[in-house]
Amino acid sequence: ELKVEQNPLFLSMQEGKNYTIYCNYSTTSDRLYWYRQDPGKSLESLFVLLSNGAVKQEGRLMASLDTKARLSTLHITAAVHDLSATYFCAVDSLGGNTPLVFGKGTRLSVIA
Amino acid sequence: DAGVIQSPRHEVTEMGQEVTLRCKPISGHNSLFWYRQTMMRGLELLIYFNNNVPIDDSGMPEDRFSAKMPNASFSTLKIQPSEPRDSAVYFCASSLGGTTEAFFGQGTRLTVV
Repeated sequence: ELKVEQNPLFLSMQEGKNYTIYCNYSTTSDRLYWYRQDPGKSLESLFVLLSNGAVKQEGRLMASLDTKARLSTLHITAAVHDLSATYFCAVDSLGGNTPLVFGKGTRLSVIA
Repeated sequence: DAGVIQSPRHEVTEMGQEVTLRCKPISGHNSLFWYRQTMMRGLELLIYFNNNVPIDDSGMPEDRFSAKMPNASFSTLKIQPSEPRDSAVYFCASSLGGTTEAFFGQGTRLTVV
């Protein structure tokens, strides 16, 4: 059974600081996704990582994937309040038309 | 495209009543997923369809839950009878399969009193 673990689950950070969220998964996969969820809202796709060594960046967020270590990271650079949200990683274990398995999410709060 | 459309957005019902949640996937997508989100259990997959066919319903908690997809543009999730522990946000998502991500609807917040 595929398991996806994120840490930390809660993160409070000051504006301007850097931090990394980690996502580990238990079985072989080369497809990993990051989503953002604002309170009371839906999940919004942030990054799609489809191969070992993939790196994608959007603004202050950068995601990477190491399939050998079964690890993805979401790095936050110079955090701003607007980044406050819950971030989920999800893994597609079988490829094709199969459902994603989600981590429990990291609730990020950026404070002044 | 308007994205994945779910209705209703909010539903409050009494225990024992039947509840039907509706979903319209993105046009052209061939996979549809129903997830439930709670604080305690996070995001749980309930059931998914490929090309309108149910593939895996092992996440459906009990026989009180049922889902259908009569055509490529419509799916329902029914709870009968509803119980307070069914209170959650129910998301529908669709994807094109392959390497594309799943796109989520706005969710239905269900409260059973």
